[in-house]
Amino acid sequence: GQSLEQPSEVTAVEGAIVQINCTYQTSGFYGLSWYQQHDGGAPTFLSYNALDGLEETGRFSSFLSRSDSYGYLLLQELQMKDSASYFCAVKSTFGDGTTLTVKP
Amino acid sequence: EAGVAQSPRYKIIEKRQSVAFWCNPISGHATLYWYQQILGQGPKLLIQFQNNGVVDDSQLPKDRFSAERLKGVDSTLKIQPAKLEDSAVYLCATSLGMGGAGYYEQYFGPGTRLTVT
Repeated sequence: GQSLEQPSEVTAVEGAIVQINCTYQTSGFYGLSWYQQHDGGAPTFLSYNALDGLEETGRFSSFLSRSDSYGYLLLQELQMKDSASYFCAVKSTFGDGTTLTVKP
Repeated sequence: EAGVAQSPRYKIIEKRQSVAFWCNPISGHATLYWYQQILGQGPKLLIQFQNNGVVDDSQLPKDRFSAERLKGVDSTLKIQPAKLEDSAVYLCATSLGMGGAGYYEQYFGPGTRLTVT
């Protein structure tokens, strides 16, 4: 089986940097994905890491350490529109999400 | 390109009634997933299709849930009979179905919000 753990809530201010961690236990590893979901909306794909290291896509970066079964999503220059839930996933198993609140 | 289409968007039924959801994937996407998302939780996989074959239905409550994917394109998910605990958002997602990032990048439809009273 597979399980993913992530913090339930994170709060930060506009312009700041926030890191959302994810640890996983899997019977087989296929890479770590991240999704964003706004209230009432559908999850949207943000990033995928198959190999160790940092992947950067604009203001968002994602990191993976396979030896530590750990990854994180880094959001820089936070904007109010970044307030949403963020999910890490291994294949089709999702964590329960981290609710990010960005304050002015 | 057009996104994943789902209908209906909202449905209210009484317990013990039946309900069906429909999903039309992005053209060319071979892999289709149905998820159940309860408020405050992450999506939980119900069933995964590769073309019109079932890849994973280990978490599908088969005594009441059924799903099919006709001709490897559209898919329907049915609940019969519904229980109160089935109240959730039912999400359909699709992916290219190839190896690498294309397999793991899932595109989600808007979902169907089901309320069972």
